Amino acid sequence: ETGVTQSPTHLIKTRGQQVTLRCSSQSGHNTVSWYQQALGQGPQFIFQYYREEENGRGNFPPRFSGLQFPNYSSELNVNALELDDSALYLCASSASVSSYNEQFFGPGTRLTVL
Amino acid sequence: DAKTTQPTSMDCAEGRAANLPCNHSTISGNEYVYWYRQIHSQGPQYIIHGLKNNETNEMASLIITEDRKSSTLILPHATLRDTAVYYCIVRVEDGNKLVFGAGTILRVKS
Repeated sequence: ETGVTQSPTHLIKTRGQQVTLRCSSQSGHNTVSWYQQALGQGPQFIFQYYREEENGRGNFPPRFSGLQFPNYSSELNVNALELDDSALYLCASSASVSSYNEQFFGPGTRLTVL
Repeated sequence: DAKTTQPTSMDCAEGRAANLPCNHSTISGNEYVYWYRQIHSQGPQYIIHGLKNNETNEMASLIITEDRKSSTLILPHATLRDTAVYYCIVRVEDGNKLVFGAGTILRVKS
């Protein structure tokens, strides 16, 4: 069984640029959540996708957007990058939206904005 | 979601039990207690969760007080590989997100 994978592993961008991060969910999982983790802090919830629809959003501006595809993989897009967007971006998949289902996290994408 | 309070860091000797406390005094009746850990440079890993009864699995035990205002995660025989940041999270029954605090840095020492 393949776990959650994310690409790329590391990325360096400059202010104002746009970035797309990708996540492949674990086999059989239809729900994907994205988190941002700044250095030394716990992960912060960005949004969740369930069956290709957004199913909840955290306190992040609209320049953070996402997609989920029919195979349940997902993308996180960030426009107009700011220095504070530098962080580890984590993707987590779960078997459904129910809280009974644990979320399985990928290794993350480390984004550096210069 | 209710807020949790955890110690910033703890040390534990290898082979001994590690007891990690968590305070969640404002927890509601429909909120579960979840524990995740994050080993350096990896994504968080689910450990265990519970509502009101004590729970045990192959990784750990979760002890929840009768008033549900606090809980303790127990790693019965800590190893060096258990060194990580441990997060205690309370989550509503139909919640779609995990709200992480700063967590507890557990250092297991030989």
